[in-house]
Amino acid sequence: GESVGLHLPTLSVQEGDNSIINCAYSNSASDYFIWYKQESGKGPQFIIDIRSNMDKRQGQRVTVLLNKTVKHLSLQIAATQPGDSAVYFCAELLGGGYNKLIFGAGTRLAVHP
Amino acid sequence: EAGVAQSPRYKIIEKRQSVAFWCNPISGHATLYWYQQILGQGPKLLIQFQNNGVVDDSQLPKDRFSAERLKGVDSTLKIQPAKLEDSAVYLCASSSTGNYGYTFGSGTRLTVV
Repeated sequence: GESVGLHLPTLSVQEGDNSIINCAYSNSASDYFIWYKQESGKGPQFIIDIRSNMDKRQGQRVTVLLNKTVKHLSLQIAATQPGDSAVYFCAELLGGGYNKLIFGAGTRLAVHP
Repeated sequence: EAGVAQSPRYKIIEKRQSVAFWCNPISGHATLYWYQQILGQGPKLLIQFQNNGVVDDSQLPKDRFSAERLKGVDSTLKIQPAKLEDSAVYLCASSSTGNYGYTFGSGTRLTVV
Protein backbone atom coordinates (compact mmCIF):
# COMPACT_ATOMS: atom_id res chain seq x y z
CA GLY A 1 0.00 0.00 0.00
CA GLU A 2 0.90 3.66 0.00
CA SER A 3 1.63 4.74 3.55
CA VAL A 4 4.39 6.43 5.43
CA GLY A 5 4.18 6.50 9.20
CA LEU A 6 6.15 7.59 12.21
CA HIS A 7 7.02 5.71 15.39
CA LEU A 8 6.77 8.60 17.84
CA PRO A 9 4.10 11.28 17.79
CA THR A 10 6.00 13.65 20.13
CA LEU A 11 9.61 14.07 21.13
CA SER A 12 10.88 16.33 23.91
CA VAL A 13 14.58 17.13 24.11
CA GLN A 14 16.85 19.49 25.96
CA GLU A 15 18.54 22.27 24.08
CA GLY A 16 21.93 21.11 22.90
CA ASP A 17 21.02 17.43 22.83
CA ASN A 18 20.82 15.41 19.66
CA SER A 19 17.35 14.48 18.35
CA ILE A 20 16.36 11.41 16.40
CA ILE A 21 13.02 11.24 14.61
CA ASN A 22 12.00 7.93 13.09
CA CYS A 23 9.76 6.99 10.19
CA ALA A 24 8.60 3.73 8.62
CA TYR A 25 7.49 3.45 5.02
CA SER A 26 5.63 0.66 3.30
CA ASN A 27 6.25 1.04 -0.43
CA SER A 28 9.47 -0.73 -1.32
CA ALA A 29 9.31 0.70 -4.84
CA SER A 30 9.77 4.28 -3.63
CA ASP A 31 13.16 5.61 -4.56
CA TYR A 32 13.21 9.04 -3.00
CA PHE A 33 12.49 10.30 0.49
CA ILE A 34 12.26 13.77 1.95
CA TRP A 35 12.14 15.20 5.44
CA TYR A 36 10.06 18.34 5.97
CA LYS A 37 9.81 20.72 8.89
CA GLN A 38 6.53 22.50 9.53
CA GLU A 39 6.25 25.40 11.94
CA SER A 40 2.93 26.63 13.22
CA GLY A 41 0.98 28.53 10.57
CA LYS A 42 3.43 27.70 7.81
CA GLY A 43 3.69 25.19 5.02
CA PRO A 44 6.16 22.29 5.13
CA GLN A 45 9.73 23.33 4.52
CA PHE A 46 12.29 21.04 2.85
CA ILE A 47 15.07 19.90 5.18
CA ILE A 48 16.94 17.07 3.49
CA ASP A 49 16.35 14.30 0.99
CA ILE A 50 17.83 10.92 0.19
CA ARG A 51 17.63 8.52 -2.72
CA SER A 52 17.16 4.82 -2.26
CA ASN A 53 20.66 4.06 -3.57
CA MET A 54 22.11 5.81 -0.52
CA ASP A 55 21.97 4.89 3.14
CA LYS A 56 23.13 8.15 4.64
CA ARG A 57 23.15 11.82 3.73
CA GLN A 58 24.35 14.74 5.77
CA GLY A 59 23.40 18.37 5.76
CA GLN A 60 24.02 21.21 8.12
CA ARG A 61 23.31 19.75 11.59
CA VAL A 62 20.99 17.15 10.04
CA THR A 63 21.60 13.61 8.88
CA VAL A 64 19.13 11.26 7.23
CA LEU A 65 19.62 7.51 7.45
CA LEU A 66 17.82 5.05 5.21
CA ASN A 67 17.51 1.34 5.96
CA LYS A 68 15.80 -0.28 3.00
CA THR A 69 15.90 -3.73 4.54
CA VAL A 70 13.41 -2.72 7.24
CA LYS A 71 11.92 0.25 5.34
CA HIS A 72 12.99 2.76 7.93
CA LEU A 73 14.11 6.36 7.80
CA SER A 74 15.50 8.53 10.53
CA LEU A 75 16.31 12.20 10.86
CA GLN A 76 19.08 13.15 13.25
CA ILE A 77 19.41 16.75 14.39
CA ALA A 78 22.66 17.62 16.13
CA ALA A 79 22.82 20.15 18.95
CA THR A 80 19.07 20.77 18.88
CA GLN A 81 18.07 24.40 19.22
CA PRO A 82 14.81 26.07 20.26
CA GLY A 83 14.31 27.06 16.64
CA ASP A 84 14.13 23.38 15.74
CA SER A 85 10.81 23.06 17.58
CA ALA A 86 8.28 22.10 14.93
CA VAL A 87 6.47 19.12 13.43
CA TYR A 88 8.64 16.93 11.24
CA PHE A 89 7.27 14.82 8.41
CA CYS A 90 8.90 12.18 6.33
CA ALA A 91 7.55 11.88 2.82
CA GLU A 92 7.88 9.17 0.21
CA LEU A 93 7.93 9.92 -3.49
CA LEU A 94 6.03 7.47 -5.61
CA GLY A 95 7.15 7.46 -9.22
CA GLY A 96 5.21 6.12 -12.16
CA GLY A 97 5.58 9.04 -14.50
CA TYR A 98 4.13 11.85 -12.41
CA ASN A 99 5.70 12.02 -9.00
CA LYS A 100 3.37 11.77 -6.04
CA LEU A 101 4.55 12.75 -2.57
CA ILE A 102 3.00 10.80 0.30
CA PHE A 103 3.37 12.20 3.81
CA GLY A 104 3.40 10.45 7.14
CA ALA A 105 1.55 11.67 10.23
CA GLY A 106 4.40 13.73 11.68
CA THR A 107 6.37 14.00 14.91
CA ARG A 108 6.27 17.08 17.07
CA LEU A 109 9.70 18.06 18.37
CA ALA A 110 9.70 20.20 21.52
CA VAL A 111 13.04 21.68 22.54
CA HIS A 112 13.34 22.79 26.15
CA PRO A 113 15.96 25.24 27.40
CA GLU B 1 12.48 34.02 -6.11
CA ALA B 2 9.00 34.63 -4.78
CA GLY B 3 7.38 31.72 -2.98
CA VAL B 4 4.04 30.02 -3.52
CA ALA B 5 1.28 32.50 -2.75
CA GLN B 6 -2.07 31.41 -1.33
CA SER B 7 -5.16 33.32 -0.36
CA PRO B 8 -7.07 33.77 1.78
CA ARG B 9 -5.06 32.83 4.87
CA TYR B 10 -8.14 32.05 6.91
CA LYS B 11 -11.77 31.34 6.09
CA ILE B 12 -14.73 30.51 8.29
CA ILE B 13 -17.94 29.32 6.64
CA GLU B 14 -21.09 27.53 7.63
CA LYS B 15 -21.70 23.97 6.49
CA ARG B 16 -23.35 23.70 3.10
CA GLN B 17 -21.81 26.98 1.96
CA SER B 18 -19.24 27.15 -0.80
CA VAL B 19 -15.65 28.38 -0.63
CA ALA B 20 -12.76 28.89 -3.02
CA PHE B 21 -9.02 29.02 -2.48
CA TRP B 22 -6.45 30.53 -4.79
CA CYS B 23 -2.84 29.58 -5.44
CA ASN B 24 -0.11 31.27 -7.44
CA PRO B 25 2.86 28.91 -7.84
CA ILE B 26 6.49 29.82 -8.34
CA SER B 27 7.04 31.25 -11.79
CA GLY B 28 7.94 28.57 -14.28
CA HIS B 29 6.87 25.65 -12.13
CA ALA B 30 4.88 23.31 -14.33
CA THR B 31 3.56 21.06 -11.58
CA LEU B 32 1.07 22.25 -9.00
CA TYR B 33 -0.37 20.30 -6.10
CA TRP B 34 -3.23 20.82 -3.67
CA TYR B 35 -2.95 19.09 -0.31
CA GLN B 36 -5.43 18.86 2.57
CA GLN B 37 -3.94 18.83 6.06
CA ILE B 38 -6.31 17.95 8.88
CA LEU B 39 -5.13 19.00 12.32
CA GLY B 40 -2.63 16.52 13.72
CA GLN B 41 -2.12 14.73 10.42
CA GLY B 42 0.26 14.86 7.51
CA PRO B 43 -0.77 16.56 4.29
CA LYS B 44 -2.87 14.44 1.93
CA LEU B 45 -2.66 14.98 -1.80
CA LEU B 46 -5.96 16.04 -3.34
CA ILE B 47 -4.99 16.85 -6.91
CA GLN B 48 -1.90 17.28 -9.06
CA PHE B 49 -1.65 19.36 -12.22
CA GLN B 50 1.00 19.22 -14.90
CA ASN B 51 0.64 22.57 -16.67
CA ASN B 52 -3.12 22.88 -17.08
CA GLY B 53 -3.88 19.15 -17.15
CA VAL B 54 -4.86 16.94 -14.22
CA VAL B 55 -2.50 14.01 -13.71
CA ASP B 56 -3.82 12.71 -10.38
CA ASP B 57 -7.12 13.46 -8.67
CA SER B 58 -7.73 10.03 -7.17
CA GLN B 59 -8.06 11.45 -3.63
CA LEU B 60 -10.29 14.40 -4.55
CA PRO B 61 -13.91 14.07 -3.33
CA LYS B 62 -15.32 14.98 -6.70
CA ASP B 63 -18.90 15.25 -5.52
CA ARG B 64 -18.00 18.43 -3.65
CA PHE B 65 -14.43 19.45 -4.54
CA SER B 66 -13.26 20.87 -7.84
CA ALA B 67 -10.03 22.44 -9.00
CA GLU B 68 -8.80 24.11 -12.12
CA ARG B 69 -5.63 25.56 -13.56
CA LEU B 70 -6.90 27.08 -16.75
CA LYS B 71 -3.77 28.76 -18.09
CA GLY B 72 -1.23 26.49 -16.47
CA VAL B 73 -0.31 29.09 -13.87
CA ASP B 74 -2.74 30.06 -11.09
CA SER B 75 -5.09 27.49 -9.64
CA THR B 76 -8.31 27.55 -7.66
CA LEU B 77 -9.73 24.85 -5.42
CA LYS B 78 -13.45 24.96 -4.65
CA ILE B 79 -15.63 23.17 -2.14
CA GLN B 80 -19.38 23.13 -2.65
CA PRO B 81 -21.15 22.35 -0.38
CA ALA B 82 -18.77 22.30 2.57
CA LYS B 83 -19.04 19.77 5.38
CA LEU B 84 -17.74 19.98 8.92
CA GLU B 85 -15.04 17.41 8.13
CA ASP B 86 -13.60 19.72 5.47
CA SER B 87 -12.12 21.86 8.24
CA ALA B 88 -8.41 21.72 7.53
CA VAL B 89 -5.47 23.64 6.13
CA TYR B 90 -5.36 23.56 2.34
CA LEU B 91 -1.80 23.69 1.08
CA CYS B 92 -0.65 24.47 -2.41
CA ALA B 93 2.79 23.39 -3.63
CA SER B 94 4.65 23.62 -6.90
CA SER B 95 7.71 22.07 -8.50
CA SER B 96 9.54 22.35 -11.78
CA THR B 97 9.59 19.46 -14.24
CA GLY B 98 12.05 16.77 -13.23
CA ASN B 99 12.71 18.44 -9.90
CA TYR B 100 11.55 16.66 -6.79
CA GLY B 101 11.82 19.74 -4.63
CA TYR B 102 8.34 20.88 -3.76
CA THR B 103 7.83 24.41 -2.46
CA PHE B 104 4.77 24.87 -0.29
CA GLY B 105 2.69 27.92 0.37
CA SER B 106 1.57 28.85 3.88
CA GLY B 107 -1.86 27.41 3.32
CA THR B 108 -5.46 28.47 3.85
CA ARG B 109 -6.99 27.46 7.15
CA LEU B 110 -10.66 26.57 6.62
CA THR B 111 -13.07 26.24 9.50
CA VAL B 112 -16.54 24.91 8.75
CA VAL B 113 -19.07 25.55 11.51
